[in-house]
Amino acid sequence: GAGVSQSPSNKVTEKGKDVELRCDPISGHTALYWYRQRLGQGLEFLIYFQGNSAPDKSGLPSDRFSAERTGESVSTLTIQRTQQEDSAVYLCASSLGRHTEAFFGQGTRLTVV
Amino acid sequence: AQSVTQLDSQVPVFEEAPVELRCNYSSSVSVYLFWYVQYPNQGLQLLLKYLSGSTLVKGINGFEAEFNKSQTSFHLRKPSVHISDTAEYFCAVSGLIQGAQKLVFGQGTRLTINP
Repeated sequence: GAGVSQSPSNKVTEKGKDVELRCDPISGHTALYWYRQRLGQGLEFLIYFQGNSAPDKSGLPSDRFSAERTGESVSTLTIQRTQQEDSAVYLCASSLGRHTEAFFGQGTRLTVV
Repeated sequence: AQSVTQLDSQVPVFEEAPVELRCNYSSSVSVYLFWYVQYPNQGLQLLLKYLSGSTLVKGINGFEAEFNKSQTSFHLRKPSVHISDTAEYFCAVSGLIQGAQKLVFGQGTRLTINP
């Protein structure tokens, strides 16, 4: 597709369950970002992948959060033992490289009940 | 440490009035600056960007922003707003922040246009 694709678009999960969120970036984009947006708040940086370099994981809020990226393609964000405070929209973005425009997906709305 | 500060969380204005949304950043090295807009129930899209060159940058939908290095600001302006400009606006900085290359966003400014 032409844009960044995220799946699922909505996810409701029970507290304590693990969830996996998927992001398909735009083809050829070497940079990929994950952000969290809580209701009515700004974008909270989670993790950044740039090509084959080690990812910048400095924004991950706890060790329950992890992310992987296969080469310069798909990325998955995994949240283990979900908590209610994990409820948010998780946004993925990709760009051609550093300092260039980031294109955002529509996000995954995660609700932990 | 906050790298991007949007000074106003909400800005209500009347239709056809001018508007300025303020953004300040705190990085001391070269940065690249962006404004994104998020319309209700939609994803984020780029309004404009400053990478280098002219400090006055023009974007889509009649918006413009001015990069001021001495004041570390990148305020967004529009001379006459329309109802359709109602949205959340995010300022973002790309650069070396807290020892790593990042794209960091401000908390957002909710612009509400009243008829």
